[in-house]
Amino acid sequence: EVQLLESGGDLVQPGGSLRLSCAASGFTFSAHVMSWVRQAPGEGLEWVSTITGGGTYYADSVKGRFTISRENSKNTLYLQMNSLRAEDTAIYYCARGGGCAGSNCYWPDRWGQGTLVTVSS
Amino acid sequence: DIQMTQSPSTLSASVGDRVTITCRASQSISTWLAWYQQKPGKAPKVLIYKASSLQSGDPSRFSGSGSGTEFTLTISSLQPDDFATYYCQQYNSFPWTFGQGTKVEIK
Repeated sequence: EVQLLESGGDLVQPGGSLRLSCAASGFTFSAHVMSWVRQAPGEGLEWVSTITGGGTYYADSVKGRFTISRENSKNTLYLQMNSLRAEDTAIYYCARGGGCAGSNCYWPDRWGQGTLVTVSS
Repeated sequence: DIQMTQSPSTLSASVGDRVTITCRASQSISTWLAWYQQKPGKAPKVLIYKASSLQSGDPSRFSGSGSGTEFTLTISSLQPDDFATYYCQQYNSFPWTFGQGTKVEIK
C-alpha cells in the first residue's frame, strides 16, 4: 500500500526556518516525481514545488526561500523552508507524481495527510 | 500562469440529484486536468485524471469530460458520502494551478 507520511510541521516565528519531511513506502520512491502542495486554513490548494529527474520547480511565492530535495536511500522527500512569513501558514501535503515526460503529463495521484506549519510571533 | 475558474463556488443538492461542476482554463491544457474531492480535515483525493479517466477504486457515478479550456465533473446520483469540496487542477505545465473549489452542501 502506498503511504506518504509528512512530519516536521511546527509553530515558528516570522523569519524562521523549518524542514519538512515526507517518508514514502509501498512503491519505488526513486522512480517517481514528488511534489509539495499546501493549503492555508479555510482556503484552497496551492502548488508549492516539484522535484523531477531533471530538476526542481517552485511557485513564485516560495522561490528563493524554499528548497525541495530527496534522499532516495531513505525514501524521503524534504522541503527546507527559510525566511518564513505569516502567509506560509498552511497544511503542507506531499504528493506522488507530477511533471511531463515525452507526450504525457502526470498528476499527483497519492497524497499524504499533511503537516501543519504555523508562522506567527 | 494558467488560471483555473470553477463554478459554482457552492452548490446545494439532495441525495439522488445529478450534479455538474464546471472548470475553465485561461488557455488550452489539452486533457491534462484532474478533479479532487476533499472532506474536512482530510487530504484531497483524486477522482478523475486526464479529464475523463476515473481513478481506480472510485465510484462510477463520478465522470469527467472536456478538453482544451472547458471541463466538467458530473456526479450522476449524489450520495451522502459525496458532500465535500471539489477542486480541479491543471497539470499541463508549472506552476500547477487549482480551481478555487466547489462546496457541495446538503439541500
